[in-house]
Amino acid sequence: SQQGEEDPQALSIQEGENATMNCSYKTSINNLQWYRQNSGRGLVHLILIRSNEREKHSGRLRVTLDTSKKSSSLLITASRAADTASYFCATERSYGGGTSYGKLTFGQGTILTVHP
Amino acid sequence: ETGVTQSPTHLIKTRGQQVTLRCSSQSGHNTVSWYQQALGQGPQFIFQYYREEENGRGNFPPRFSGLQFPNYSSELNVNALELDDSALYLCASSLLDRFYGYTFGSGTRLTVV
Repeated sequence: SQQGEEDPQALSIQEGENATMNCSYKTSINNLQWYRQNSGRGLVHLILIRSNEREKHSGRLRVTLDTSKKSSSLLITASRAADTASYFCATERSYGGGTSYGKLTFGQGTILTVHP
Repeated sequence: ETGVTQSPTHLIKTRGQQVTLRCSSQSGHNTVSWYQQALGQGPQFIFQYYREEENGRGNFPPRFSGLQFPNYSSELNVNALELDDSALYLCASSLLDRFYGYTFGSGTRLTVV
């Protein structure tokens, strides 16, 4: 079953606009990650935010994490046509004890379309 | 661009057959995970291998099995294929000890007819 739920399911914007995607999850986590997927191909890791962090930036990306609300948001600023893709949030919990990291649990994704 | 390669890219199999998918992890990565992604869905965790031993498993039946080799390559084997096994299978590798996220391959598209 999916842990995360992304909102909205689809987002259509014009080039230059900002795109915001939200993710909610159900259990306690070690970290939350955002990935991009183009046309059903492999996933590209965008950014990782740990459970003790509240905000993180990488280029045009800004991610926030609110562990009290079990939610995260991904903001893409000044969007480009090349940003058109599906975006997934994925949470990771400790699994198997010790310092091992475990499986990623993905949401169903947000389909972002950026029109030139 | 990606350090993880998967083969084959596409595969068509008949129900009841067996299939082996292959993955070459990024050099130095000691962890490999496999995911199944049905059309329109997010990836679902199948299992993870760390230093050649299974390190966690998702809700998949035993006919899904795997191997990790010392040269960082790995295999996903699926026996007694069912129509619902049709999906994109993704391999991902990482360094478990210094974790910065997973590097995914481009996937194998499996169609079961």
